[in-house]
This record gives sequence, C-alpha cells and structure tokens, in this order.
Amino acid sequence: DAKTTQPTSMDCAEGRAANLPCNHSTISGNEYVYWYRQIHSQGPQYIIHGLKNNETNEMASLIITEDRKSSTLILPHATLRDTAVYYCIATSTGTASKLTFGTGTRLQVTL
Amino acid sequence: DAGVIQSPRHEVTEMGQEVTLRCKPISGHNSLFWYRQTMMRGLELLIYFNNNVPIDDSGMPEDRFSAKMPNASFSTLKIQPSEPRDSAVYFCASTNSAAPPYEQYFGPGTRLTVT
Repeated sequence: DAKTTQPTSMDCAEGRAANLPCNHSTISGNEYVYWYRQIHSQGPQYIIHGLKNNETNEMASLIITEDRKSSTLILPHATLRDTAVYYCIATSTGTASKLTFGTGTRLQVTL
Repeated sequence: DAGVIQSPRHEVTEMGQEVTLRCKPISGHNSLFWYRQTMMRGLELLIYFNNNVPIDDSGMPEDRFSAKMPNASFSTLKIQPSEPRDSAVYFCASTNSAAPPYEQYFGPGTRLTVT
C-alpha cells in the first residue's frame, strides 16, 4: 500500500465546508483511495473511496488530482458530529479489504 | 441488521489470565478482521479471515495471541497468558470481499485492561 500523509489536525467552523487533504505521491495505478473516520470511542466508519474520478455520496465528496498523487475529502456542511479522526488509505483492489491506518487528521468542528 | 457485534465491551483481567474476545460479523459478509488500537501504535491489523480461513496473521504480536473462525458468523481472539501491554481496544470488522466497494464495517470494540 502506498504511504499517505495527512495534516495532524484541522479546525472548521460549523456549517462551513471542511476540506481534508491527503498526499499519496507513490500511489500505483491499481490502488484506490479510501477514507474512514473514527469518532471518539467508536469503531472506524467508511466514508467514501475512489480510483481517479471524483466521487460524491451522502456523506462527502472526494476530489482526486489528475496525477492521483493527492486527494481532498470534502464535508460540505460540517457539523459538531463530524468531529473525528479522518484516515486516508491507499490500497489495491486485490487487497482492498486489508487496510493500513496511519495517524489521520483530527478534525475539530467548532461553533 | 444489528451491525458487527462484539463482546464483552469491557474486560478487566489480571496478568497471566486467559482472555477471549468474541465477534459476530454482519450476515452475508465473508471477510473478518481483528484490529488493535493503542495510543502508542494507533490502529493496527492483527489478522484477517476470508471465508473462515485465516489469510494474513502477520500482525499477530506473538504466540500468546490466537484467533479462530469456526463458522461464518463467529470469531474469537484469545490471549493466553495476558500481559499489561496487551491493554488496548480491540475492534472486529467485516466486509463482503466479493463485491466492491469492500468497505469494512467495524464493531464497537472491546476495551481490554490487563492489570
């Protein structure tokens, strides 16, 4: 799995968009980018994933650069309940089930 | 569906005792994972099963740890003998590895404290 780099922490005002960056400069062609989050004391929760096209679901949007070396997770209207640690993971479809979690970004949403 | 079920939610035991953690995956999921989370090491994969067969146990720290999956709806992680450094939150997760997007569903975790 390609190594990913994320900022340690970020703040966001409630109601504003939260943009969480992830660098995966060594990603290979068959590796997907997955995003999970972990709210305090809970198990991680799947958010979204993508290969090269931008993706959107009911939780978030994922923007992947054309060279696939970085991506951004966007929470369009952050709420206090979005306060969590967000993990960006690059993994190949062959081992898509095997996740290697890094340290993630701790997002604090404030009033 | 009730989601991934883990028991117990909390376990406090003395060093040297045997500890058994239990997991019931989501019905229909054919892959199951055991993770451990500590402040020092973060979230790390211990072992995972596909169709009840252990596929990768390279994350199991040592022989004191063992995991079984006797059927598609039940798995155990056993520590014998337990040590204080085994104190952590242990998560079980499951997925359907036959169909994308292969997202893993995590249980609520078991908080283990070894004194």
